[in-house]
Amino acid sequence: KAGVTQTPRYLIKTRGQQVTLSCSPISGHRSVSWYQQTPGQGLQFLFEYFSETQRNKGNFPGRFSGRQFSNSRSEMNVSTLELGDSALYLCASRPDSTSTYEQYFGPGTRLTVT
Amino acid sequence: GENVEQHPSTLSVQEGDSAVIKCTYSDSASNYFPWYKQELGKRPQLIIDIRSNVGEKKDQRIAVTLNKTAKHFSLHITETQPEDSAVYFCAAQKTDKLIFGTGTRLQVFP
Repeated sequence: KAGVTQTPRYLIKTRGQQVTLSCSPISGHRSVSWYQQTPGQGLQFLFEYFSETQRNKGNFPGRFSGRQFSNSRSEMNVSTLELGDSALYLCASRPDSTSTYEQYFGPGTRLTVT
Repeated sequence: GENVEQHPSTLSVQEGDSAVIKCTYSDSASNYFPWYKQELGKRPQLIIDIRSNVGEKKDQRIAVTLNKTAKHFSLHITETQPEDSAVYFCAAQKTDKLIFGTGTRLQVFP
């Protein structure tokens, strides 16, 4: 099976702009989670989608949003970008079976805000 | 709220020595505890995990122990090798939410 893919891999934006990142989960996986990774803060949970519904949400401002499509692909959007949004954004997918919790991570999108 | 503390933040060992990384979680309802290894510039990858009905699990040089009463779990790497150098993250999961520790940068010197 192909792994989790994310596009784009690198992105440079300026303050005030908005950005959309995409994540394609492993085939058959219905749950997609998003994380922000920065050197000082580790892996911070953004949100999780399952069957096109947001199931969990982390402690991020409303500028961070996401959605999931019927094919389980997910997008996250950040509006009104701030310098502090510069980070590696990782998505992870899993089957969402009650007996399987392992999450598989994508390669990430490195966002730089100038 | 849910919280996972991880220590130490950095760890340097000589090749062949053992390394131990410890995590503490706050929510007693957590029932799944994975460990991820992230090499520089790469994605986190699962190296071992343990569920709350098990106290210890071993996979070759890697082992994880879980103390549910104390809400502690630890990663043990024996006979460390330079390729073990990476950042290691512990995590605790309750229902569908996975909370990560802040990571431990392990350096193994030859």
